[in-house]
Amino acid sequence: QKEVEQNSGPLSVPEGAIASLNCTYSDRGSQSFFWYRQYSGKSPELIMFIYSNGDKEDGRFTAQLNKASQYVSLLIRDSQPSDSATYLCAVKYGGSQGNLIFGKGTKLSVKP
Amino acid sequence: DAGITQSPRYKITETGRQVTLMCHQTWSHSYMFWYRQDLGHGLRLIYYSAAADITDKGEVPDGYVVSRSKTENFPLTLESATRSQTSVYFCASNSAAGGLEGLDEQFFGPGTRLTVL
Repeated sequence: QKEVEQNSGPLSVPEGAIASLNCTYSDRGSQSFFWYRQYSGKSPELIMFIYSNGDKEDGRFTAQLNKASQYVSLLIRDSQPSDSATYLCAVKYGGSQGNLIFGKGTKLSVKP
Repeated sequence: DAGITQSPRYKITETGRQVTLMCHQTWSHSYMFWYRQDLGHGLRLIYYSAAADITDKGEVPDGYVVSRSKTENFPLTLESATRSQTSVYFCASNSAAGGLEGLDEQFFGPGTRLTVL
């Protein structure tokens, strides 16, 4: 059974702080890793993807991938109240036809 | 409208009725997906399609039927709705599944909130 695990939260951080979201996955053959943000009542939207070990930065967001430890994380610097949402980790496992396995999501709350 | 759309956005039906949820995308993406999202379960794949006339089961296909006669449309039918199928349904699409960087992203429709009484 291919699984993607996330801490459900809620994770609460003060405005301006760094929010750290973590995700582990079970399939060592996984190839691609995605972070989606989902506001309440809305559909998921992609904010980051990462394919290679290491860090990938995009504005205030940094995705980190460690394939040996089978974890991927998302750091949000200078967190804003508008970052309050549920963050979904998704993994494309090896041999799939584009299918993604989603974690259950971590709810982030940024307090002003 | 460009993008991926779903209809209806909200639907209330009764147990035993047949319901069809529509999904339409204007990108000519090869792959399309149907998910359901429930509290405590996250997003679960119901069915997916690699191209017109090619469909396959996902994690939770029981009670659902799909078809894909045209690339742009991917309807999901609940043949005899049950209360356990009350959920939010999302359709998604992507252009390629070959692992090429940047092409694996799935784009989601706005969702259909279905209530089965």
